[in-house]
Amino acid sequence: EPEVTQTPSHQVTQMGQEVILRCVPISNHLYFYWYRQILGQKVEFLVSFYNNEISEKSEIFDDQFSVERPDGSNFTLKIRSTKLEDSAMYFCASSAYREKSPLHFGNGTRLTVT
Amino acid sequence: AQSVSQHNHHVILSEAASLELGCNYSYGGTVNLFWYVQYPGQHLQLLLKYFSGDPLVKGIKGFEAEFIKSKFSFNLRKPSVQWSDTAEYFCAVNNYGQNFVFGPGTRLSVLP
Repeated sequence: EPEVTQTPSHQVTQMGQEVILRCVPISNHLYFYWYRQILGQKVEFLVSFYNNEISEKSEIFDDQFSVERPDGSNFTLKIRSTKLEDSAMYFCASSAYREKSPLHFGNGTRLTVT
Repeated sequence: AQSVSQHNHHVILSEAASLELGCNYSYGGTVNLFWYVQYPGQHLQLLLKYFSGDPLVKGIKGFEAEFIKSKFSFNLRKPSVQWSDTAEYFCAVNNYGQNFVFGPGTRLSVLP
């Protein structure tokens, strides 16, 4: 069982709706990430988060996306107005350090936009 | 920017065959190298990692990988595959101060 937990495991939403994907990273980790994987394609970096702020984001992570750490345990990814092309598996990951520290991934949330 | 390539999109082997999956990265300097495995319907799991030292690293489930700096490569090997090794394998690179970059993945199918 992974130590990073994600909910829900599957989310179906209509185009234009807002979704929030939730993650609970490993408790003593300091760095948090969101990646996505469109079916059959590569794992793509979305955003990294440290010390309550975004440290880096990719070109995929546009104004429709936002991340938040609302409390000491949860880490959320919000998509404000979903598009069909947002359909993918979204993985949360955490690591203890910035360097020389592997990413620990959650089970993922499969987002289906109809 | 760093990029990672994996030589094979899909590899099909019979049980007990030897495996080698290629991985090359584009940008040198200080790199941390990883192989992850994704079993069908599951999350990414760390197989092994290289930070420094002995370029031949051993991971879980009998996998190993060799870092060859001059070739910018980090190939994954296993002497004898099992049906349970059927999965997608991702090479990942993390330069100092940069985020992880994943390769496109290689799907391994092991025939019983």
